[in-house]
Amino acid sequence: ETGVTQTPRHLVMGMTNKKSLKCEQHLGHNAMYWYKQSAKKPLELMFVYSLEERVENNSVPSRFSPECPNSSHLFLHLHTLQPEDSALYLCASSPELAGPSTDTQYFGPGTRLTVL
Amino acid sequence: GESVGLHLPTLSVQEGDNSIINCAYSNSASDYFIWYKQESGKGPQFIIDIRSNMDKRQGQRVTVLLNKTVKHLSLQIAATQPGDSAVYFCAEIRSPNSGGGADGLTFGKGTHLIIQP
Repeated sequence: ETGVTQTPRHLVMGMTNKKSLKCEQHLGHNAMYWYKQSAKKPLELMFVYSLEERVENNSVPSRFSPECPNSSHLFLHLHTLQPEDSALYLCASSPELAGPSTDTQYFGPGTRLTVL
Repeated sequence: GESVGLHLPTLSVQEGDNSIINCAYSNSASDYFIWYKQESGKGPQFIIDIRSNMDKRQGQRVTVLLNKTVKHLSLQIAATQPGDSAVYFCAEIRSPNSGGGADGLTFGKGTHLIIQP
């Protein structure tokens, strides 16, 4: 185990539903990330938080809304998603913002999301 | 555009043989490279990393080679075991001024390593 947990592991939702993904890290890290992993595509960075402040939003549609209430927890709130949003959503954490002189990211197992 | 990519989507090897997974990158400003392993149903797991001032780094049964002249990265797995079956990603971290996101971390698509008995 990497010390990063995600719930739920699987989620099926309709386009009008509202749901939330949860990530929790038990590593004492200061930076947390949301990634989207679609079939046959590279991991796509969605959001970056450092010390509970959002430092990056990579042109993600507003139907995805992140929340970081403290350095151990990260949420991704979902609303009116599209079928093309179906993917594996991965959470990761690192001691500090990852960079050339610093730290590896530790990934959770992901939430497999299916939008009908 | 600038990207990190893998030459082969699937690699099949015999158990006990050595595996070599390749990765090409296009940004010569990249400072740091990481190999991740992702098993079915799990998130990516760090395997080994290498900085741009090195050309080789060894871990337990794994070796990463970096050829900056041709912008090529490879992961060598010795004596491949069934537990090595997974998708392997390379990732690059670029210099802060070279773009690529808040942390400049860009992933390749991945190579699926299949171990045959």
